[in-house]
Amino acid sequence: QVQLQESGPGLVKPSQTLSLTCTVSGGSISSGGYYWSWIRQHPGKGLEWIGYIYYSGSTYYNPSLKSRVTISVDTSKNQFSLKLSSVTAADTAVYYCARAHYRDMVRGVVGWFDPWGQGTLVTVSS
Amino acid sequence: DIVMTQSPDSLAVSLGERATINCKSSQSVLYSSNDKNYLAWYQQKPGQPPKLLIYWASIRESGVPDRFSGSGSGTDFTLTISSLQTEDVAVYYCQQYYSTPGTFGQGTKLGFK
Repeated sequence: QVQLQESGPGLVKPSQTLSLTCTVSGGSISSGGYYWSWIRQHPGKGLEWIGYIYYSGSTYYNPSLKSRVTISVDTSKNQFSLKLSSVTAADTAVYYCARAHYRDMVRGVVGWFDPWGQGTLVTVSS
Repeated sequence: DIVMTQSPDSLAVSLGERATINCKSSQSVLYSSNDKNYLAWYQQKPGQPPKLLIYWASIRESGVPDRFSGSGSGTDFTLTISSLQTEDVAVYYCQQYYSTPGTFGQGTKLGFK
């Protein structure tokens, strides 16, 4: 059974770059058919999709974050990563990695998310 | 972006009673070419990540108890828990994957009466 685990600093200074890694176990990212995603949840609030990457390296980002987001994949380590630049306090959130099922080829949107990592709280503060 | 609005924001139901959560999208998430509704439901318990319950609006994920069911089409959807159990206390979210970016509802907090 596939499991995901986020890792990275829990505290980032304003204007710096947030960097997180998601390690996938129980299955190979390279097997294809899934879209490896990042989603965040602001404290006490709802969920926001950040973007996804396919094992081939193709990516798709939420337009609201696109200018600051980079998602990359390392198939040799079975990991994918998130970088979010120029962070502010508004980027304080729990960051989840998740596996997305299905992708609409016309609209580019991916489907439902399962499973999810446990999540990691990233606080932006000086 | 498609806006997903859930109602109510919170709900209290007695043990063993039916719970109904609604989700309305700002535009249809039904794709006419395949007659599928691009909608999923999740359950989130405190300190845990969301757990997938339903996709394609009504397909129950493997392992999800059959007291959970999803219905609706177009812009109006419902998650029903037929007989509330103690372990069902959680926040529930709907999510559309019809158009990018995929968006979630604000959540409905379900508790005991």
